[in-house]
Amino acid sequence: DTAVSQTPKYLVTQMGNDKSIKCEQNLGHDTMYWYKQDSKKFLKIMFSYNNKELIINETVPNRFSPKSPDKAHLNLHINSLELGDSAVYFCASSQLSGADSGNTIYFGEGSWLTVV
Amino acid sequence: SQQGEEDPQALSIQEGENATMNCSYKTSINNLQWYRQNSGRGLVHLILIRSNEREKHSGRLRVTLDTSKKSSSLLITASRAADTASYFCATSGSYIPTFGRGTSLIVHP
Repeated sequence: DTAVSQTPKYLVTQMGNDKSIKCEQNLGHDTMYWYKQDSKKFLKIMFSYNNKELIINETVPNRFSPKSPDKAHLNLHINSLELGDSAVYFCASSQLSGADSGNTIYFGEGSWLTVV
Repeated sequence: SQQGEEDPQALSIQEGENATMNCSYKTSINNLQWYRQNSGRGLVHLILIRSNEREKHSGRLRVTLDTSKKSSSLLITASRAADTASYFCATSGSYIPTFGRGTSLIVHP
């Protein structure tokens, strides 16, 4: 069974549209993340969220918003899509146990977003 | 930023050779992790080394950490074509690991 699953895997949409990418984890983890990987493979944290705290990377435009209906889900909503939003978006999760214990991240398979 | 930077960006070797990748970072860390990403897939955790450790082994993987130089290396011994992938280091001073752009490794059969 897939630990972190995200849908859709591929998404092609026009500029200006609003779209969502769904993510679910069945690992019982407390924390979920969204990462963006650009064409040069640079992997950048967008959001970190658990039931207590949302941490937003300040460079992320407010057109992007995470929504978590429960601990196992963290969906990514994107409004007014722009060409530069084209990238691969990865959902991930971890069992937050404090910095000293290490924090292994479990990734989904990615969602390829192409804005035309 | 605590972001790790991998070096080289690309590495091409023959099967059976060893592959060494390096990671440098800027601020103090609690631990450093290495991940692997196959083409078209998500990242998979390989190994974690804590700030009080200098070397760690896992199968054909050997990781070193030099906190005085703020650098780590990942050595893959006796490489195989199946090792072809991108390798990322992730540094963690708080609880959010941050990544760089990875080293793209190609192992020719």
